[in-house]
Amino acid sequence: EPEVTQTPSHQVTQMGQEVILRCVPISNHLYFYWYRQILGQKVEFLVSFYNNEISEKSEIFDDQFSVERPDGSNFTLKIRSTKLEDSAMYFCASSGGYRNQPQHFGDGTRLSIL
Amino acid sequence: DQQVKQNSPSLSVQEGRISILNCDYTNSMFDYFLWYKKYPAEGPTFLISISSIKDKNEDGRFTVFLNKSAKHLSLHIVPSQPGDSAVYFCAVLNAGNMLTFGGGTRLMVKP
Repeated sequence: EPEVTQTPSHQVTQMGQEVILRCVPISNHLYFYWYRQILGQKVEFLVSFYNNEISEKSEIFDDQFSVERPDGSNFTLKIRSTKLEDSAMYFCASSGGYRNQPQHFGDGTRLSIL
Repeated sequence: DQQVKQNSPSLSVQEGRISILNCDYTNSMFDYFLWYKKYPAEGPTFLISISSIKDKNEDGRFTVFLNKSAKHLSLHIVPSQPGDSAVYFCAVLNAGNMLTFGGGTRLMVKP
């Protein structure tokens, strides 16, 4: 069964450094997403991406965050200057179409900011 | 953000019995609802969904019930198996295409 893959599984970064989280969505999917889960809290939506542009973003997704689809397979989340509160599990997801198409998640990247 | 609430943080059932997981939501405009299962160190795995035009959807051992007047969603697992032990999240598809998740219920199925 096709799956969403994320790398690395764990990223440790110094506060203030840039970090890039990588995702390979399911190959025939058109919609891509990033979510995060801070320890002990709910899974929260960050951003959705379609047709090479952001379609929606949450209040969390400020100017420090950006997303990119640099080629036909990868989807990346960049945090420009990391803060301690960015420490969380980051999940990438993809879906085949708009609404009523379940989003399929990767296993996440644990980001630890020191 | 309390748009989606799962009031039971944990549930323990005996193998072979029914597991019932509950979820409440606040906005009557929500029209698509999903359940995900999550094992430790893995991402959420899609289980089953239901559109607001239905009140029941079944897939094997899993059935989701939707009560729109009560703004209540439930997931039934029959019969429960030890491999079902995981955290279960309900989610609603918000305006646009973003999922809003509940806080999760940890299900433990005892052999």
